[in-house]
Amino acid sequence: GAGVSQSPSNKVTEKGKDVELRCDPISGHTALYWYRQSLGQGLEFLIYFQGNSAPDKSGLPSDRFSAERTGGSVSTLTIQRTQQEDSAVYLCASSFRLAGKDTQYFGPGTRLTVL
Amino acid sequence: KQEVTQIPAALSVPEGENLVLNCSFTDSAIYNLQWFRQDPGKGLTSLLLIQSSQREQTSGRLNASLDKSSGRSTLYIAASQPGDSATYLCAVFNDTGNQFYFGTGTSLTVIP
Repeated sequence: GAGVSQSPSNKVTEKGKDVELRCDPISGHTALYWYRQSLGQGLEFLIYFQGNSAPDKSGLPSDRFSAERTGGSVSTLTIQRTQQEDSAVYLCASSFRLAGKDTQYFGPGTRLTVL
Repeated sequence: KQEVTQIPAALSVPEGENLVLNCSFTDSAIYNLQWFRQDPGKGLTSLLLIQSSQREQTSGRLNASLDKSSGRSTLYIAASQPGDSATYLCAVFNDTGNQFYFGTGTSLTVIP
């Protein structure tokens, strides 16, 4: 069956440009997460969507980062005016029910490189 | 803030050996704990999820234990195989909040 998919798999951009990263969760999953994994670091929580509730944005590192989830399915993470420290692998995960109550399924990630 | 630590950071063992990976967390008020496997260039694959009321979970050659009061979990891998080579991540979900807190992982290499 289809898992979580992310696009693009790799993105190279110049400092100052905006980027959009896409996540397609597993159909029927109500919970969706974005994480960031920097080189040699653990996963860092960014944002959490649950159904139609207001997202938990407490992990977003700056106001250059934003995310939306349209129709309770596809999510887009946008980074404006990218900086070199934004270079990382961005991982999306979804789960069937409320956060923490079910196994999270991760996508393959988007590797972002900011030159 | 919850902090998750994994020891060792890297481990290399000969094929067939049994091994234990360790995970510790600072805040015992957790809802559950999950062990993941990460292969190079790929996302994470969930291995085992232990609810806070449980002591252990088993799946095939894997056994994960949880001692919530002492803030520790172990992942036991029996009869290791080269295909087990990967980075293993531990993550805890607090009673409050919406996020998993991840450790930095243990990089395992099983030598044929």
